[in-house]
Amino acid sequence: DTGVSQDPRHKITKRGQNVTFRCDPISEHNRLYWYRQTLGQGPEFLTYFQNEAQLEKSRLLSDRFSAERPKGSFSTLEIQRTEQGDSAMYLCASSLRPLAGGTHQETQYFGPGTRLLVL
Amino acid sequence: SQQGEEDPQALSIQEGENATMNCSYKTSINNLQWYRQNSGRGLVHLILIRSNEREKHSGRLRVTLDTSKKSSSLLITASRAADTASYFCATGRVGYQKVTFGTGTKLQVIP
Repeated sequence: DTGVSQDPRHKITKRGQNVTFRCDPISEHNRLYWYRQTLGQGPEFLTYFQNEAQLEKSRLLSDRFSAERPKGSFSTLEIQRTEQGDSAMYLCASSLRPLAGGTHQETQYFGPGTRLLVL
Repeated sequence: SQQGEEDPQALSIQEGENATMNCSYKTSINNLQWYRQNSGRGLVHLILIRSNEREKHSGRLRVTLDTSKKSSSLLITASRAADTASYFCATGRVGYQKVTFGTGTKLQVIP
């Protein structure tokens, strides 16, 4: 399967614990995005990377959240000191920025998501 | 915060009927995309329409865009039970790389 993969698919943790999620994008894609989705809502943007550089972060991304993409391939999203309000689906997406650049957003391809439940 | 709002929030139709969903947004955009999400799963990209386009087709899907009214519609013709899902519009703003999703329309197609 050459699509976007995420691991784990489900995570149950106790409040105050740290959790880390992994995203493997489509191999040739240079852009990677993290979103959070709560029940009945659309995905909300958290952050995105172009190669290994984190270029934009949402105000939703508090200091308990950190994302990395150290080699410009896979990415991790860590949540420290989890709170019950962090319970959500965490979605990763990737896209390919054309070499010629341009100002249009490319199609994003989504992974299956990691569903987090904080007890 | 959500940029767009889909209307209706929920829609139930019989198999074979057409389904129309609308999306309204607030700011100037580069493009607008529609995604489908089956229950509890990731999103699947359906179609992208650029701000200089007015209509686009893909199979049973027809998307229109009216930038003067800041609205878009998604028409699914001859619906099938497999079309049951939530549908989201996502807008890309000028000068921003991220896209912003609406609140979604939950479509149920009854066999």
